[in-house]
Amino acid sequence: QKEVEQDPGPLSVPEGAIVSLNCTYSNSAFQYFMWYRQYSRKGPELLMYTYSSGNKEDGRFTAQVDKSSKYISLFIRDSQPSDSATYLCAMSDVDSNYQLIWGAGTKLIIKP
Amino acid sequence: GAVVSQHPSWVICKSGTSVKIECRSLDFQATTMFWYRQFPKQSLMLMATSNEGSKATYEQGVEKDKFLINHASLTLSTLTVTSAHPEDSSFYICSAVNQLAGTDSQYFGPGTRLTVL
Repeated sequence: QKEVEQDPGPLSVPEGAIVSLNCTYSNSAFQYFMWYRQYSRKGPELLMYTYSSGNKEDGRFTAQVDKSSKYISLFIRDSQPSDSATYLCAMSDVDSNYQLIWGAGTKLIIKP
Repeated sequence: GAVVSQHPSWVICKSGTSVKIECRSLDFQATTMFWYRQFPKQSLMLMATSNEGSKATYEQGVEKDKFLINHASLTLSTLTVTSAHPEDSSFYICSAVNQLAGTDSQYFGPGTRLTVL
């Protein structure tokens, strides 16, 4: 079993829909949770960063962490075709020396 | 802030030659940088952790003599693929940690596409 599980998709939704992306993990020591967006042939771009449990909102994006369930989510409201990309979750613990454990990435397609 | 650049963005070379890829943190100092490779439709695979002023730490299965990493300053790390072969063709991405920001977030370069003929 991988430390971080993420459905690779693709996930295809119509423009304007609310998108829900998720990752599950097995290591209860993880404290830092991140979501990155990667466009084709580009490096990943940090979207959201969350420490421990709770919600964090930034514009159309909301990140949720449920440590009791070992489950994290990224919600995208009013999705746009420009949101079409691969979304990767990543996480680490306090002793990781900044190394991240990555999900496989979910390919998201927003249809106009 | 937190911009990371990579150079070159793409390179084509003949089998047996060496290729150097540079990773720079443009507006912050990074004592720790990471090198990843990514195959099509796959996630990032960590190759090594580069620490300024010390030897890089390589992940299991990554040949340190083939992938030479030098982190000579707080803003520059280089990856040299020595005696490249077609199986080394991949997308190489570096990242840097802005430790002054107080997070574990990594900021990524745009990547370098290496094609070995």
